Amino acid sequence: DQQVKQNSPSLSVQEGRISILNCDYTNSMFDYFLWYKKYPAEGPTFLISISSIKDKNEDGRFTVFLNKSAKHLSLHIVPSQPGDSAVYFCAASRTGLGSSNTGKLIFGQGTTLQVKP
Amino acid sequence: DAGVTQSPTHLIKTRGQHVTLRCSPISGHKSVSWYQQVLGQGPQFIFQYYEKEERGRGNFPDRFSARQFPNYSSELNVNALLLGDSALYLCASSSWTTSGREQYFGPGTRLTVT
Repeated sequence: DQQVKQNSPSLSVQEGRISILNCDYTNSMFDYFLWYKKYPAEGPTFLISISSIKDKNEDGRFTVFLNKSAKHLSLHIVPSQPGDSAVYFCAASRTGLGSSNTGKLIFGQGTTLQVKP
Repeated sequence: DAGVTQSPTHLIKTRGQHVTLRCSPISGHKSVSWYQQVLGQGPQFIFQYYEKEERGRGNFPDRFSARQFPNYSSELNVNALLLGDSALYLCASSSWTTSGREQYFGPGTRLTVT
């Protein structure tokens, strides 16, 4: 049961243009969402997050949008740079304390972004 | 500031053997989580520890176990290794308790079982 899905395995974008990475989730109990970037031979690096009480969060070139009704989030990178080429994972979790809230992150399968110079 | 560190970087084991992977969290972080990442997939949650207690366990067999020490470092142990255990094992630390917020990952240990 894949609760978090990234349906595009890969994306290729020209340098300077916008990159849009998409993610869908099925569990309506998720209330916190994160994006990570991963280079080969390295661990995932935290990029940006968003709580379900918001619909947008910005950090420099990175913006995450959340559409709760559609159970969809997206990461926008503007402008895209060759150094952004990596695998991007979205993750979701249930926050708060309690026996069912283990704080675990549920990851999608990843999208490989290639930014061409 | 030092990030999350893991050792060893790479490891090759034979089926049936046992392996111990180690993790040191970011200074001040009291929560450590372990994830398994196989090729082509996202990381899968194995365990979370906070203040030396197990706070969560993923859908992994009992061959997998972990513990957290008083200095908040952690070990992941896998017994009776199978070929399917070959993966990148990631450790993540967090300043939150079990709240499921930002976790910061180490570089991982690449385990190959032959």
